[in-house]
Amino acid sequence: GAGVSQSPSNKVTEKGKDVELRCDPISGHTALYWYRQSLGQGLEFLIYFQGNSAPDKSGLPSDRFSAERTGGSVSTLTIQRTQQEDSAVYLCASSSSVAGGNQPQHFGDGTRLSIL
Amino acid sequence: AQKITQTQPGMFVQEKEAVTLDCTYDTSDPSYGLFWYKQPSSGEMIFLIYQGSYDQQNATEGRYSLNFQKARKSANLVISASQLGDSAMYFCAMRGLGRNTPLVFGKGTRLSVIA
Repeated sequence: GAGVSQSPSNKVTEKGKDVELRCDPISGHTALYWYRQSLGQGLEFLIYFQGNSAPDKSGLPSDRFSAERTGGSVSTLTIQRTQQEDSAVYLCASSSSVAGGNQPQHFGDGTRLSIL
Repeated sequence: AQKITQTQPGMFVQEKEAVTLDCTYDTSDPSYGLFWYKQPSSGEMIFLIYQGSYDQQNATEGRYSLNFQKARKSANLVISASQLGDSAMYFCAMRGLGRNTPLVFGKGTRLSVIA
């Protein structure tokens, strides 16, 4: 497809389980971002990949969260030992590498994560 | 650090009327970009319009325009001729220019268009 693809669209799991969320960015986009949106809130930055550079992990809320990006394309966000406060919509976005910072980020439809 | 403030949690507008959604920002970056996104109830984030801090003219995209007042650090979104399909959450966001750094978002404004 032409857009950012995320899977699964919905995930329900029990507290304490690990979850993996997947993001497939737009082809050719070298920048990839993960955000979290809690109910009724704005978007909170989690982690950011730019090309082959080391990722910016400054937004990760705890060491239970990690992400990787293989081959400069698909990214996986992993949450270990999930807690109820992890319940949120996790959004992935990508943008092109044109310098200047005026490139919009294109978002996927998100993964709605519910921790029971 | 960057901060976006959207002071209107909810707004109502009559169909076919214009509406302004407020956004103020704070940043220490000398150059920056401002973005508006629309999030319908289905959840996807849709890019609407962009304004660079050094752009001389206010950005326009169809029925969307950005009222950029740099000295006041405001970047209000104006939607003309509102349509029922404009009902959604609207987020203002920014980032520094020069790199594809993450966006900083406001908390959003929920716009409801009334027939």
